[in-house]
Parts: sequence; structure tokens; C-alpha cells
Amino acid sequence: NAGVTQTPKFQVLKTGQSMTLQCAQDMNHEYMSWYRQDPGMGLRLIHYSVGAGITDQGEVPNGYNVSRSTTEDFPLRLLSAAPSQTSVYFCASTDLRGNYGYTFGSGTRLTVV
Amino acid sequence: AQSVTQLGSHVSVSEGALVLLRCNYSSSVPPYLFWYVQYPNQGLQLLLKYTTGATLVKGINGFEAEFKKSETSFHLTKPSAHMSDAAEYFCAVSENDYKLSFGAGTTVTVRA
Repeated sequence: NAGVTQTPKFQVLKTGQSMTLQCAQDMNHEYMSWYRQDPGMGLRLIHYSVGAGITDQGEVPNGYNVSRSTTEDFPLRLLSAAPSQTSVYFCASTDLRGNYGYTFGSGTRLTVV
Repeated sequence: AQSVTQLGSHVSVSEGALVLLRCNYSSSVPPYLFWYVQYPNQGLQLLLKYTTGATLVKGINGFEAEFKKSETSFHLTKPSAHMSDAAEYFCAVSENDYKLSFGAGTTVTVRA
């Protein structure tokens, strides 16, 4: 039972480079989301999805793109990385049946230099 | 719009002492409330949640929290701290649309 799997665990990018953070879940959860965690600011919602083909913006969406082609996968794309995007990124999922028991991945630590 | 305020970014307690972490929220509708714990270099783990029903909620590892609507609070307590409770704790609120808003977090250290 893998839960939510994020890859990579660590990444260093140069300013202007692009990359995709991967997130996959095997629990058949409809809802998936991406958060970034910065010291003293808690977790802030970047993008979320309530099902395949449906995505929406969260609190801090600028500089990030997402897509949801399958129930299992929810990749986060940085098109042109900036130092302000240095952070720890978490993917989380839950079902839409009122459980509200979010399952979090172990995170991706991204540094943009 | 929903928001969460956690009072105190750092809390230090002695082993065996009471742990009290404060959380106040704002919400335009009856909220769902959560406490999560994060151990170093790990993801977040759900401690407990309040959705409906009993306002005193018991969670894992001996933690509990009480929803007080009149005070818009959801404080987390544990009667006796253990060294393994050292972690960062996050309060979160949802207005029933599955989007969670998190507080800034409280780091707990436990003194032997």
C-alpha cells in the first residue's frame, strides 16, 4: 500500500530551468492537491483537482501549472524556475465521500539557484 | 474566507507535562477542523479531525482537541508529553470544499 508517492525527493534547479514534480496515489482518491511549505508560513495551496480533467487554482498558483489526465497522477510543472520557488512541496489526496482524511506524500525539497 | 491562527510558533514542555497548542479559526460556514503532525523530513500525518457531532475529539498518540464555536477555537492537548511528541503541529480548517487552509505551525520541543 504505497499511498501518495512523490518524486524526486530532492532537486536543485538553475533559474529559468523547467521541471515537473511527480505525484501518484493508489487509493482511487478523487481529490488531489499541491502545497508548498515555507518556514513560518505553514502550507499554502498551489493547485488542486477534484477528478480527471478538472483542475483549479489555489492560493499561490503563479509560476506553476498542473494537469490531471488520470485519477492516479497529478504532476506539478514549473515552467521557468525562480529563486522564490525554493520550498518544500507536498502532494496530498483524499476521497470526496466526506472522509477528509488527507494522505500526504513525503515531499520534494526544491532549491532554485 | 477561511483562515487559521496558531498562537505561539514554539512551545517547550517538560516530559510528563501538559501539552497545549492553541488554534483559532475564522470561517463563514460551520468549519471542518484538523490537527496534523509533521516529524522531521516527513510529510504530514493526521492527528485528529472535527467534522460534526461531539465537540471533544480524540486522536492518535493520546492527543485530543475541543471545538468551541463561541470562541472559534480548536486547541490541541495531551496530558503528559513524551519525548516522541517533539515535532511540528499544524492546525487546518476547511469550509467543506476539501480545500484545507493551514496555520503557520507550532514546533514542540520536549525537555527530559
